[in-house]
Amino acid sequence: EAAVTQSPRNKVAVTGGKVTLSCNQTNNHNNMYWYRQDTGHGLRLIHYSYGAGSTEKGDIPDGYKASRPSQENFSLILELATPSQTSVYFCASGDAGENTLYFGAGTRLSVL
Amino acid sequence: GDKVKQSPSALSLQEGTNSALRCNFSIAATTVQWFLQNPRGSLINLFYLVPGTKENGRLKSAFDSKESYSTLHIRDAQLEDSGTYFCAAEEDPGYQNFYFGKGTSLTVIP
Repeated sequence: EAAVTQSPRNKVAVTGGKVTLSCNQTNNHNNMYWYRQDTGHGLRLIHYSYGAGSTEKGDIPDGYKASRPSQENFSLILELATPSQTSVYFCASGDAGENTLYFGAGTRLSVL
Repeated sequence: GDKVKQSPSALSLQEGTNSALRCNFSIAATTVQWFLQNPRGSLINLFYLVPGTKENGRLKSAFDSKESYSTLHIRDAQLEDSGTYFCAAEEDPGYQNFYFGKGTSLTVIP
């Protein structure tokens, strides 16, 4: 069974603070993704990665960085959090062939 | 405009009835995935499709790349089918970007 684990599940941050969202997958998938979900927008791609050491910009990368230090781990970093980054963040993994997406349970981030 | 448009945006079904959800694409979609977001917020993958059809229990999905749409049929709806259904289309398999629709909120009524 595919397993994608996100931490923390909930986070409250202050404006201007640094936030790191972590994602771990045990599927040995090459591809990993970070999405945010907001009412009225569906899911939007922030960053993705083809494998360890690779990060690519998605559709809405501004204000976010990503890090893929290993096959299993993919982090999303908000260096200077802003209230507009309040959202639910989902990590996903997928294989390079049939790229079925497997999602984590999500992280609810509130920036005050 | 939206690259993936889902319809309807919301739907109520009597338990035991059938319905169909639809996604229309303004991109040249090559693959489509359907997800259910359950009331707890978890996103569950239902189908991965290249052009053609797939069936799994009471669910059946079709993807027509030439006409740029995909459908998800729910047969004999059950209470546990309630949630929000999302489709996601992939335009260029090498780009790894999936465009999501805004979802169809389904409520199954006893």
